[in-house]
Amino acid sequence: GAGVSQSPRYKVAKRGQDVALRCDPISGHVSLFWYQQALGQGPEFLTYFQNEAQLDKSGLPSDRFFAERPEGSVSTLKIQRTQQEDSAVYLCASRYSGTGLNEQYFGPGTRLTVT
Amino acid sequence: KQEVTQIPAALSVPEGENLVLNCSFTDSAIYNLQWFRQDPGKGLTSLLLIQSSQREQTSGRLNASLDKSSGRSTLYIAASQPGDSATYLCAVLRGAQKLVFGQGTRLTINP
Repeated sequence: GAGVSQSPRYKVAKRGQDVALRCDPISGHVSLFWYQQALGQGPEFLTYFQNEAQLDKSGLPSDRFFAERPEGSVSTLKIQRTQQEDSAVYLCASRYSGTGLNEQYFGPGTRLTVT
Repeated sequence: KQEVTQIPAALSVPEGENLVLNCSFTDSAIYNLQWFRQDPGKGLTSLLLIQSSQREQTSGRLNASLDKSSGRSTLYIAASQPGDSATYLCAVLRGAQKLVFGQGTRLTINP
């Protein structure tokens, strides 16, 4: 079946612009996660949704970052007034259940470059 | 704060060799541990998931072990092939939600 998809795959933004990154999880997956991966580093957790509820946003680096999943399926990560330090790959993952028993499946990521 | 360390950062071996990648973590109160591979410019592919109550998992030429008490996991790759070249990441699950990743081991298999 279809995996996690993300769009756009690449995004170039000028400093100060707002961007919106989309994630389509695997159909029926309850949990959805966003991670940020800087060049040469492992991914770092940003936020977690169980259905439409955002249960953990402790990893969001500033109030310029906002995520939503209004109908418990597609999710959008929005970054306002982008800064150069926001340049990274943003990875979305989904998981079948709300518990830790199952694997997280990752999308291909969106590479954001802020110039 | 949970920290995950992977050693070595890079490894280059000739084709056909068996090899071991290491992962250590500072807090043994984990939910599970997952090994991933990442190809350049791509997302993460899950390789193996070990629950905290398990000691090892196997899939084909891959075998992952978990020793919670010592805070260590190893990924064993048998009979390595050039197609195994990638970055390998381990991650521990905290609180059933948040994966904490190591920085990865970049593996190159030379034909």
